[in-house]
Amino acid sequence: NAGVTQTPKFQVLKTGQSMTLQCAQDMNHEYMSWYRQDPGMGLRLIHYSVGAGITDQGEVPNGYNVSRSTTEDFPLRLLSAAPSQTSVYFCASSYSSGTTIGQFFGPGTRLTVL
Amino acid sequence: SQQGEEDPQALSIQEGENATMNCSYKTSINNLQWYRQNSGRGLVHLILIRSNEREKHSGRLRVTLDTSKKSSSLLITASRAADTASYFCATEEGSYIPTFGRGTSLIVHP
Repeated sequence: NAGVTQTPKFQVLKTGQSMTLQCAQDMNHEYMSWYRQDPGMGLRLIHYSVGAGITDQGEVPNGYNVSRSTTEDFPLRLLSAAPSQTSVYFCASSYSSGTTIGQFFGPGTRLTVL
Repeated sequence: SQQGEEDPQALSIQEGENATMNCSYKTSINNLQWYRQNSGRGLVHLILIRSNEREKHSGRLRVTLDTSKKSSSLLITASRAADTASYFCATEEGSYIPTFGRGTSLIVHP
């Protein structure tokens, strides 16, 4: 199993550009989520999904869209990039067998918005 | 806002010593999880303790949970230089998606 994969690893955007961060998992996990990590702020939840076709907002959803058309993929779209979105983005997946077992994280995408 | 808050923010110890990190949270939880993050890498799940459990062990890791005080501690015994990393607690309230704290940065000097 590849686990959770994220592409690209690094990206530089100009203000106003749009892009999609890709996330895929091959573990058939129900739950997927996107976090951003900023220095001194820990991880903050952007959006999450509890299954194909179901998404919901986290703590910091503004400026981001998600969709979950398949169990495997959970892309994160930046609609109009802003310097405040400069961050490291992590995708994670998990499943529940009655109770959850913890999150599996991807390696992250380091995004810089100029 | 973050549910869990780790303390201390930074910890520096010598190899062989024990390292203790604490996590406090605000609301009732289903479980509490601890993660490790090496520099420039993703987070790795270490251990999960459920709200009806008080203590859990995994190798050199010992986690305690006190739901009356809304706090947890992570003890790493006989630390090694390879334990140098940031450690995060994460609380789950029922959505199966945890909320993370800001983390404790641990440096273990050889």
